[in-house]
Amino acid sequence: QKEVEQDPGPLSVPEGAIVSLNCTYSNSAFQYFMWYRQYSRKGPELLMYTYSSGNKEDGRFTAQVDKSSKYISLFIRDSQPSDSATYLCAPRKDSWGKLQFGAGTQVVVTP
Amino acid sequence: DVKVTQSSRYLVKRTGEKVFLECVQDMDHENMFWYRQDPGLGLRLIYFSYDVKMKEKGDIPEGYSVSREKKERFSLILESASTNQTSMYLCASRDEQGAQPQHFGDGTRLSIL
Repeated sequence: QKEVEQDPGPLSVPEGAIVSLNCTYSNSAFQYFMWYRQYSRKGPELLMYTYSSGNKEDGRFTAQVDKSSKYISLFIRDSQPSDSATYLCAPRKDSWGKLQFGAGTQVVVTP
Repeated sequence: DVKVTQSSRYLVKRTGEKVFLECVQDMDHENMFWYRQDPGLGLRLIYFSYDVKMKEKGDIPEGYSVSREKKERFSLILESASTNQTSMYLCASRDEQGAQPQHFGDGTRLSIL
């Protein structure tokens, strides 16, 4: 079993819809939870991160962590075609900042 | 803005060759990482360096080695390239303080024929 599970998609939504992405993980020691966005033929870029359980909002993006169920979510409101990318969840493994990546979910937002 | 530069976007090499992938960061970061990314498997850590001349094996180090002689440069070496090392290779760096995230380069797509 992988330490971080993520549905690969593709997830196709119409422009303006809410995109809901999620990951599950098995290691209860994870404390920081990162979300990266990766466009085709580019490296991942950090979207946002949260510490422990709770919500964090940044513009159209909201990240949620439920440590009791080991469940991580990312919501994108008012989705745009420019949000079409692969989204990677990545809990932090240790104090050196090593990350355990999920396989990524491909999102396609159609105009 | 942090800039992580990987020397080649695309590289084609032959089986058995020794291959060098170079990565340079411009933010004086202590920590640097090498990953490979394969469809359905996500990013897997090959090697990690927490400072100059310091390195640690990641999850899949077999067939690879690394070199970090200067703080800004982290090299990945394929000692004798094999076809199963065909992949996208990504380099990242981070400031070791607190919860600083990793910053990635745009990757090198390596094909071993």
